[in-house]
Amino acid sequence: SQQGEEDPQALSIQEGENATMNCSYKTSINNLQWYRQNSGRGLVHLILIRSNEREKHSGRLRVTLDTSKKSSSLLITASRAADTASYFCATDAGYGGSQGNLIFGKGTKLSVKP
Amino acid sequence: KAGVTQTPRYLIKTRGQQVTLSCSPISGHRSVSWYQQTPGQGLQFLFEYFSETQRNKGNFPGRFSGRQFSNSRSEMNVSTLELGDSALYLCASSRRLAGANLFYNEQFFGPGTRLTVL
Repeated sequence: SQQGEEDPQALSIQEGENATMNCSYKTSINNLQWYRQNSGRGLVHLILIRSNEREKHSGRLRVTLDTSKKSSSLLITASRAADTASYFCATDAGYGGSQGNLIFGKGTKLSVKP
Repeated sequence: KAGVTQTPRYLIKTRGQQVTLSCSPISGHRSVSWYQQTPGQGLQFLFEYFSETQRNKGNFPGRFSGRQFSNSRSEMNVSTLELGDSALYLCASSRRLAGANLFYNEQFFGPGTRLTVL
């Protein structure tokens, strides 16, 4: 069953604009990770945010986490055509002892037009 | 540092056959997890191996199995292939210290093996 649900399912923007994707999940978590996937290829790890963190930055990426609302957002600033990809959030199962089992949402398909 | 490698990258099989996929984790990573990605079901967890032992298993039939070797390389096997097994199979590696329940380690994915069952 899906833990994370990304919103929107698809997003189309112009180069230079900011892109915001949201993720909601159902159960308590230890951490949440964001991944990027280019057309049918492997997943690229973007950022991990722990449950006791509220915000994290990496280059043009900004991730926030609100555990009270069970939601996270990924902001890509000054987007580029190369950012065109699907973006997934993934949570651990939240129960003790398991860190090899990530639960993914269905992803947001981002299209950045030059 | 080399990333996660998976072989083969593409595979075409027919129903009823079996297939073995291979994954080499990042050097020093001892945990390997496998995922199946399909358009309909998305990314689903298959199983995780650590220290040659299966630690977690997803909700897949017994036709899906795996193993891990002493060098942390892992293989997964699918027997009696069905059309619905056509998917991108991804493996991911992460550091996992023996005896520790680490909740904060990133998982790094390989490029995947695209399996087509005809």
